[in-house]
Amino acid sequence: EIVLTQSPGTLSLSPGERATLSCRASETVSNNYLAWYQHKPGQAPRLLIYGASSRATGIPDRFSGSGSGADFTLTISRLGPEDFAVYYCQQYVGSPPITFGQGTRLEIK
Amino acid sequence: EVHLVESGGGLVQPGGSLRLSCAASGFTFSTYAMTWVRQAPGKGLEWVSAISGDGVYTYYADSVKGRFITSRDNSEITLYLQMNSLRAEDTAVYYCAKNLRNGMATYDYWGQGTLVTVSS
Repeated sequence: EIVLTQSPGTLSLSPGERATLSCRASETVSNNYLAWYQHKPGQAPRLLIYGASSRATGIPDRFSGSGSGADFTLTISRLGPEDFAVYYCQQYVGSPPITFGQGTRLEIK
Repeated sequence: EVHLVESGGGLVQPGGSLRLSCAASGFTFSTYAMTWVRQAPGKGLEWVSAISGDGVYTYYADSVKGRFITSRDNSEITLYLQMNSLRAEDTAVYYCAKNLRNGMATYDYWGQGTLVTVSS
């Protein structure tokens, strides 16, 4: 099972700033099968990025994903007030089990 | 527009059973694998189970294997999760989710979730 470790656990930033979230895998994530989700309380999770760097339908271009192998990054170039949420990475290599990181909480400073 | 609506959650005693449903609309249901993901109170997302579009193949997390059964009725456009021998640690919001595409277990649409509480 691939274990995903996200850092930092909590990130405190102001609107307009740049956010950089990290996701490190316990082994190589083949084919860059790595996704990022945004999750707000009481709402359904929202797919942001798949394939490490492809934006999902309707996702603003201020969200970008990068990385390969075992190290991946989600960058939000200019934080809007609606971007404060919990972010999860997820790997989907081969057959289950599918695993998620423990999440990074992005909070308003 | 794609919609997924879960139902069937509630309070159940340890050792009891519950069946969750997920009604789908807005896409060709039978051609997509579907997944259950849960979130325990104060915890992160946990993958629970998946089922192929034709219902032939099912997959389970070790934590629920042998207790939960995922099925689907493509004529009724509904996904199910039969949960047996429930434990306190199964308490969570359960989400159904649609796979982005076949062969790619990442999820582009999710329901709002249904809360399952296992307690005496």
